[in-house]
Parts: sequence; C-alpha cells; structure tokens
Amino acid sequence: EAGVAQSPRYKIIEKRQSVAFWCNPISGHATLYWYQQILGQGPKLLIQFQNNGVVDDSQLPKDRFSAERLKGVDSTLKIQPAKLEDSAVYLCASSPGGDRVTDTQYFGPGTRLTVL
Amino acid sequence: DQQVKQNSPSLSVQEGRISILNCDYTNSMFDYFLWYKKYPAEGPTFLISISSIKDKNEDGRFTVFLNKSANLLSLHIVPSQPGDSAVYFCAANTYSSASKIIFGSGTRLSIRP
Repeated sequence: EAGVAQSPRYKIIEKRQSVAFWCNPISGHATLYWYQQILGQGPKLLIQFQNNGVVDDSQLPKDRFSAERLKGVDSTLKIQPAKLEDSAVYLCASSPGGDRVTDTQYFGPGTRLTVL
Repeated sequence: DQQVKQNSPSLSVQEGRISILNCDYTNSMFDYFLWYKKYPAEGPTFLISISSIKDKNEDGRFTVFLNKSANLLSLHIVPSQPGDSAVYFCAANTYSSASKIIFGSGTRLSIRP
C-alpha cells in the first residue's frame, strides 16, 4: 500500500512570495490533515478535511494560508504572502475515518519550507 | 498553552538497556494518549497508544504507562536497539475531538553501542 505522498520535499522562497504544497493521501482515506511543525516543536494541526469538506480550520492563519481538497482526494496548501515565521515542515496526514480516537493518522514525509 | 509537554529534548541510552521517555499533560479531559516515532526526513509514524481508563499497554518491546494522579505518560523501550534512535512525540486527544491530536515537542533518543 502506497503511503502519503507530498511534494515538493524542500522549498526555499523569499518573504512575501507565495508557495504551494501538494499532498496525495493513502487511497480510500476519507480524512486529510495538514500540520505545521516548527523546529523544536511538535506538529500543530492547521486544517482537517473530511472528504472534500473542511472539518476544522480553527488554527489556520486564513489571512495568508488557504487549502483545498478537490474531489475528496488530493489537497493543496498555499501560503500567500509568506513570512519568515512560516519556515517549518508542513506535514500531510490521512486516516480512514477521523472521528474516533483509535483512527490512526498516517503521515507523509513533509515539505521543508525555508523563508528568507 | 502547552497541554502536552516533553521536558527532555534529548536522551542517550546504551544499547540493550531500558529507555524511558516521559511526558506531562495538563488537560485532565484527555481520553487517549499516543506515542509517535519520527526518523529524519520522514513523517511521524504511530507507535503505541493507551486509553485513559487503563494504566498500562504493552506491544513487544514497547510499554506505555499512564499515571493519572500525576498527569504523567511514559514510554519504556526494553531492550533498546540502534534502530530505536529517533525523535519520539507523545500526543493526546479527546473523544469529542478525536482527530485533533495535541503533540508534545519531542524527545530525541540516541542509542549508543
């Protein structure tokens, strides 16, 4: 079974530029998550999709971050414009369900973003 | 507001000995606790979990203990092996917000020969 795929793996941009990350979840997984992991911290949930609907985006900085999951499969996360403090690893995860504590989340390798 | 804290950023253990990783939590409403393991350049992978109604769960070399009176979660690895060298995150969630996992900041475990 293929895991969660993410691209690109690394991205370096200057502040005020825009950037987009792509995620392809495990086939058949209804729930998709985007996390931000700043160096020295644990992953922090940015947004959760159930199929193609948003379940939780309470921690997404909506003035600059946006995300979509078209057709309930792939997802993109965009930052526009980027700030220095956006430098982090952006992790995508998926799970078969999402509403039970026992639903395991499977993580992709992440995209490391550096904002100069 | 760090609801899940890992106060030891790093830990070095000799191969074959026991590794003990600890995690404090401040939210007594957590229903479920998890440990994730992360290798460099990879995403975290689920390792083991425990329900708040239990105080111990074992899976091979890995045992998780929950001390509710002290709000302390710990992971024991015995015997420690070189492949256990990784960053370990403790995490927690609630039944009402199951998908919203709160992660600690991680402990880097190094197993030395």
